[in-house]
Amino acid sequence: SAVISQKPSRDICQRGTSLTIQCQVDSQVTMMFWYRQQPGQSLTLIATANQGSEATYESGFVIDKFPISRPNLTFSTLTVSNLSPEDSSIYLCSAETSGYEQYFGPGTRLTVT
Amino acid sequence: KQEVTQIPAALSVPEGENLVLNCSFTDSAIYNLQWFRQDPGKGLTSLLLIQSSQREQTSGRLNASLDKSSGRSTLYIAASQPGDSATYLCAVRNFGNEKLTFGTGTRLTIIP
Repeated sequence: SAVISQKPSRDICQRGTSLTIQCQVDSQVTMMFWYRQQPGQSLTLIATANQGSEATYESGFVIDKFPISRPNLTFSTLTVSNLSPEDSSIYLCSAETSGYEQYFGPGTRLTVT
Repeated sequence: KQEVTQIPAALSVPEGENLVLNCSFTDSAIYNLQWFRQDPGKGLTSLLLIQSSQREQTSGRLNASLDKSSGRSTLYIAASQPGDSATYLCAVRNFGNEKLTFGTGTRLTIIP
Protein backbone atom coordinates (compact mmCIF):
# COMPACT_ATOMS: atom_id res chain seq x y z
CA SER A 1 0.00 0.00 0.00
CA ALA A 2 0.95 3.67 -0.10
CA VAL A 3 0.07 6.66 2.04
CA ILE A 4 -0.16 9.93 0.18
CA SER A 5 -0.19 13.44 1.58
CA GLN A 6 -1.02 16.64 -0.23
CA LYS A 7 -0.35 20.25 0.63
CA PRO A 8 -2.22 22.53 0.88
CA SER A 9 -5.51 20.85 1.76
CA ARG A 10 -7.41 23.90 0.54
CA ASP A 11 -6.74 27.37 -0.73
CA ILE A 12 -8.58 30.44 -1.94
CA CYS A 13 -6.74 32.22 -4.74
CA GLN A 14 -7.35 35.31 -6.79
CA ARG A 15 -7.93 35.25 -10.51
CA GLY A 16 -4.69 35.43 -12.50
CA THR A 17 -2.44 33.96 -9.81
CA SER A 18 -1.04 30.43 -9.57
CA LEU A 19 -1.21 27.63 -7.02
CA THR A 20 1.33 24.86 -6.57
CA ILE A 21 0.17 21.62 -4.97
CA GLN A 22 2.62 19.18 -3.46
CA CYS A 23 2.17 15.42 -3.33
CA GLN A 24 4.32 13.17 -1.15
CA VAL A 25 4.19 9.36 -1.08
CA ASP A 26 5.55 7.36 1.83
CA SER A 27 7.25 4.82 -0.42
CA GLN A 28 8.73 4.60 -3.88
CA VAL A 29 6.05 4.08 -6.50
CA THR A 30 6.10 3.37 -10.20
CA MET A 31 3.46 5.81 -11.42
CA MET A 32 2.05 9.10 -10.16
CA PHE A 33 -1.00 10.86 -11.55
CA TRP A 34 -2.87 14.13 -11.16
CA TYR A 35 -6.66 14.32 -11.39
CA ARG A 36 -9.25 17.06 -11.25
CA GLN A 37 -12.70 16.61 -9.80
CA GLN A 38 -15.18 19.37 -10.49
CA PRO A 39 -18.19 19.77 -8.20
CA GLY A 40 -20.57 16.84 -8.48
CA GLN A 41 -18.47 15.15 -11.14
CA SER A 42 -16.26 12.09 -11.37
CA LEU A 43 -12.49 12.27 -11.74
CA THR A 44 -10.74 13.54 -14.85
CA LEU A 45 -7.11 12.65 -15.42
CA ILE A 46 -4.92 15.69 -16.04
CA ALA A 47 -1.57 14.01 -16.59
CA THR A 48 0.84 11.24 -15.69
CA ALA A 49 3.82 12.60 -13.77
CA ASN A 50 6.97 10.98 -15.14
CA GLN A 51 10.05 10.80 -12.97
CA GLY A 52 12.85 12.88 -14.44
CA SER A 53 11.04 13.82 -17.63
CA GLU A 54 8.11 15.83 -18.91
CA ALA A 55 4.64 14.79 -17.83
CA THR A 56 2.23 13.11 -20.23
CA TYR A 57 -0.90 15.25 -20.58
CA GLU A 58 -4.42 14.15 -21.43
CA SER A 59 -6.43 15.77 -24.16
CA GLY A 60 -7.58 19.21 -23.09
CA PHE A 61 -4.77 19.79 -20.62
CA VAL A 62 -1.56 21.62 -21.53
CA ILE A 63 1.78 22.11 -19.86
CA ASP A 64 1.58 25.89 -19.83
CA LYS A 65 -1.57 25.76 -17.72
CA PHE A 66 -0.70 22.71 -15.59
CA PRO A 67 3.09 22.39 -15.24
CA ILE A 68 4.06 19.25 -13.37
CA SER A 69 7.32 18.15 -11.82
CA ARG A 70 8.41 14.80 -10.46
CA PRO A 71 12.02 15.02 -9.31
CA ASN A 72 12.07 11.58 -7.65
CA LEU A 73 9.99 8.45 -7.07
CA THR A 74 8.07 9.79 -4.07
CA PHE A 75 7.29 13.45 -4.81
CA SER A 76 5.44 15.49 -7.41
CA THR A 77 4.02 18.97 -7.79
CA LEU A 78 1.17 20.33 -9.88
CA THR A 79 0.90 24.03 -10.59
CA VAL A 80 -2.37 25.50 -11.79
CA SER A 81 -1.44 28.72 -13.59
CA ASN A 82 -3.29 31.89 -14.52
CA LEU A 83 -6.24 30.91 -12.38
CA SER A 84 -9.83 31.55 -13.39
CA PRO A 85 -13.05 30.67 -11.55
CA GLU A 86 -13.40 27.64 -13.86
CA ASP A 87 -10.33 26.14 -12.18
CA SER A 88 -12.19 25.84 -8.89
CA SER A 89 -12.09 22.11 -8.23
CA ILE A 90 -10.61 19.42 -6.07
CA TYR A 91 -7.18 18.34 -7.32
CA LEU A 92 -6.10 14.82 -6.43
CA CYS A 93 -2.75 13.12 -6.58
CA SER A 94 -2.55 9.35 -6.94
CA ALA A 95 0.20 6.76 -6.99
CA GLU A 96 0.31 3.26 -8.34
CA THR A 97 2.25 0.55 -6.58
CA SER A 98 4.00 -2.40 -8.16
CA GLY A 99 0.78 -4.37 -7.60
CA TYR A 100 -1.05 -2.03 -10.00
CA GLU A 101 -3.31 -0.68 -7.27
CA GLN A 102 -3.86 3.08 -7.16
CA TYR A 103 -3.94 5.07 -3.95
CA PHE A 104 -5.12 8.63 -3.63
CA GLY A 105 -4.20 11.63 -1.56
CA PRO A 106 -6.80 13.58 0.44
CA GLY A 107 -7.13 16.20 -2.27
CA THR A 108 -6.64 19.96 -2.49
CA ARG A 109 -9.77 22.06 -2.68
CA LEU A 110 -9.12 25.16 -4.78
CA THR A 111 -11.48 28.11 -4.89
CA VAL A 112 -10.73 30.93 -7.32
CA THR A 113 -12.30 34.31 -6.65
CA LYS B 1 -12.69 3.76 -25.88
CA GLN B 2 -13.55 2.34 -22.47
CA GLU B 3 -16.72 3.66 -20.86
CA VAL B 4 -17.71 2.89 -17.29
CA THR B 5 -21.25 3.33 -15.97
CA GLN B 6 -22.64 3.06 -12.47
CA ILE B 7 -26.35 2.75 -11.88
CA PRO B 8 -28.10 3.98 -9.83
CA ALA B 9 -26.52 7.39 -9.31
CA ALA B 10 -27.95 7.49 -5.79
CA LEU B 11 -29.26 4.88 -3.39
CA SER B 12 -30.80 5.08 0.09
CA VAL B 13 -31.28 2.01 2.27
CA PRO B 14 -32.14 1.43 5.92
CA GLU B 15 -29.35 0.49 8.27
CA GLY B 16 -28.70 -3.23 8.54
CA GLU B 17 -29.74 -4.14 5.02
CA ASN B 18 -27.48 -5.84 2.53
CA LEU B 19 -27.01 -3.98 -0.74
CA VAL B 20 -25.40 -4.25 -4.15
CA LEU B 21 -23.76 -1.51 -6.21
CA ASN B 22 -23.31 -2.02 -9.93
CA CYS B 23 -20.55 -1.13 -12.37
CA SER B 24 -20.62 -1.77 -16.13
CA PHE B 25 -17.83 -1.35 -18.65
CA THR B 26 -17.85 -1.52 -22.44
CA ASP B 27 -14.40 -2.99 -23.20
CA SER B 28 -13.85 -6.39 -21.59
CA ALA B 29 -10.06 -6.34 -22.18
CA ILE B 30 -9.39 -5.10 -18.70
CA TYR B 31 -6.30 -5.65 -16.58
CA ASN B 32 -7.99 -4.96 -13.28
CA LEU B 33 -10.93 -3.20 -11.65
CA GLN B 34 -10.80 -1.18 -8.47
CA TRP B 35 -13.57 -0.04 -6.13
CA PHE B 36 -13.16 3.19 -4.15
CA ARG B 37 -15.20 5.16 -1.65
CA GLN B 38 -15.14 8.92 -1.41
CA ASP B 39 -16.45 10.90 1.51
CA PRO B 40 -17.67 14.45 0.77
CA GLY B 41 -14.78 16.80 0.04
CA LYS B 42 -12.21 14.07 0.59
CA GLY B 43 -9.89 11.89 -1.45
CA LEU B 44 -10.56 8.34 -2.58
CA THR B 45 -10.05 5.31 -0.38
CA SER B 46 -9.23 2.06 -2.15
CA LEU B 47 -11.62 -0.70 -1.08
CA LEU B 48 -10.92 -3.67 -3.31
CA LEU B 49 -8.80 -4.50 -6.33
CA ILE B 50 -9.82 -7.37 -8.61
CA GLN B 51 -7.37 -8.67 -11.19
CA SER B 52 -8.77 -9.77 -14.54
CA SER B 53 -8.08 -13.41 -13.68
CA GLN B 54 -10.13 -13.23 -10.47
CA ARG B 55 -13.86 -13.63 -10.00
CA GLU B 56 -14.18 -11.94 -6.62
CA GLN B 57 -12.41 -10.30 -3.72
CA THR B 58 -13.54 -9.91 -0.13
CA SER B 59 -12.61 -7.50 2.64
CA GLY B 60 -14.66 -7.57 5.82
CA ARG B 61 -18.28 -6.79 4.97
CA LEU B 62 -17.40 -5.99 1.35
CA ASN B 63 -17.38 -8.42 -1.53
CA ALA B 64 -16.63 -7.43 -5.10
CA SER B 65 -17.29 -9.66 -8.07
CA LEU B 66 -16.12 -9.44 -11.65
CA ASP B 67 -17.67 -10.88 -14.81
CA LYS B 68 -15.48 -9.77 -17.70
CA SER B 69 -17.53 -11.47 -20.39
CA SER B 70 -20.61 -9.46 -19.50
CA GLY B 71 -18.66 -6.31 -18.65
CA ARG B 72 -19.96 -6.10 -15.10
CA SER B 73 -18.77 -5.82 -11.54
CA THR B 74 -20.77 -5.63 -8.34
CA LEU B 75 -19.88 -4.44 -4.87
CA TYR B 76 -21.86 -6.20 -2.14
CA ILE B 77 -22.05 -4.54 1.27
CA ALA B 78 -23.38 -6.69 4.08
CA ALA B 79 -25.17 -5.39 7.16
CA SER B 80 -24.93 -1.75 6.13
CA GLN B 81 -24.05 0.92 8.69
CA PRO B 82 -24.44 4.72 8.67
CA GLY B 83 -20.66 4.96 8.32
CA ASP B 84 -20.95 3.32 4.92
CA SER B 85 -22.62 6.47 3.60
CA ALA B 86 -20.34 7.80 0.86
CA THR B 87 -19.94 7.88 -2.90
CA TYR B 88 -18.67 4.63 -4.35
CA LEU B 89 -16.63 4.68 -7.54
CA CYS B 90 -15.43 1.85 -9.72
CA ALA B 91 -12.46 2.27 -12.04
CA VAL B 92 -11.09 0.06 -14.77
CA ARG B 93 -7.56 -0.34 -16.09
CA ASN B 94 -7.19 -1.78 -19.58
CA PHE B 95 -4.31 -3.87 -20.85
CA GLY B 96 -1.50 -1.73 -22.24
CA ASN B 97 -2.79 1.36 -20.48
CA GLU B 98 -1.67 2.56 -17.06
CA LYS B 99 -4.62 4.94 -16.76
CA LEU B 100 -7.84 4.29 -14.88
CA THR B 101 -11.24 4.98 -16.39
CA PHE B 102 -13.69 5.99 -13.67
CA GLY B 103 -17.39 5.45 -13.43
CA THR B 104 -19.73 8.25 -12.48
CA GLY B 105 -20.24 6.91 -8.98
CA THR B 106 -23.14 5.86 -6.76
CA ARG B 107 -23.96 8.08 -3.80
CA LEU B 108 -25.01 5.77 -1.00
CA THR B 109 -26.97 6.91 2.05
CA ILE B 110 -27.60 4.53 4.93
CA ILE B 111 -30.63 5.61 6.96
CA PRO B 112 -30.27 5.02 10.72
